[in-house]
Amino acid sequence: EAGVTQFPSHSVIEKGQTVTLRCDPISGHDNLYWYRRVMGKEIKFLLHFVKESKQDESGMPNNRFLAERTGGTYSTLKVQPAELEDSGVYFCASSPRTGSYNEQFFGPGTRLTVL
Amino acid sequence: SQQGEEDPQALSIQEGENATMNCSYKTSINNLQWYRQNSGRGLVHLILIRSNEREKHSGRLRVTLDTSKKSSSLLITASRAADTASYFCATGVEAGNNRKLIWGLGTSLAVNP
Repeated sequence: EAGVTQFPSHSVIEKGQTVTLRCDPISGHDNLYWYRRVMGKEIKFLLHFVKESKQDESGMPNNRFLAERTGGTYSTLKVQPAELEDSGVYFCASSPRTGSYNEQFFGPGTRLTVL
Repeated sequence: SQQGEEDPQALSIQEGENATMNCSYKTSINNLQWYRQNSGRGLVHLILIRSNEREKHSGRLRVTLDTSKKSSSLLITASRAADTASYFCATGVEAGNNRKLIWGLGTSLAVNP
C-alpha cells in the first residue's frame, strides 16, 4: 500500500510569488492534516480535513494560506503571496476515520524556501 | 506555544546502550504519541499511549506516562546505529472530531557504532 506522498519535495521561490503544495493521502483515509515546521521551532498544526470538509483550521497562520481538498482525495496548500517567514518544512498526514483516536501517517514533507 | 518539551535536546550514546528521552506537556490530553524522523524523511509513528495507561511496550521501545506530572518517557533499549534520528512526542487533544497533534521540539539521538 502506498504511503502519504507530497509534491514537490523542495521548492525555492522568491518573496511575493505563489506556491502550491500537494498531498496525496493513503487511499481510504478520510482524515488529512497539514503541519509545518519552521527551522528551530516545533512542528505546528495547520489544519485538518475530514473528507472534503475543513474540520479544524485553527492553525492556519493568516489568509495568505489556502487549503483545499476537493472530492475528499488529495489536498493542496497554496501560499499567496509567500513571505520569508513561510520558509520551513510542510508535512501532510492522514489517518482512517474510526471512532477512537489513532496514529497519523506522515508524508516526507515539502521543504519550502522563500528568498 | 509548544505543548511538549523534550529533554535532552540532543543525546549521543554508544551502540548497545539504552537511550531515555523525556517529554513534558501542559494541558490535559487524550493520548501521547512518539514519532521518529530520520534525516530528510517523514515522521514515523512509534507508539501511542492513552491517558489511562501508564506503560506500554513495543519491541525495544518502552513508554511511560505520568498524567499527574504531565510527563512521558521513551526508552530505547540495546540501541543500534539505525536508531539515530530525531524523536518527537506529540499530544493528542481530542475534542469532538478534532484530532490535531501538538508537538515538542524533539530530541536528536546519535547512536555511535
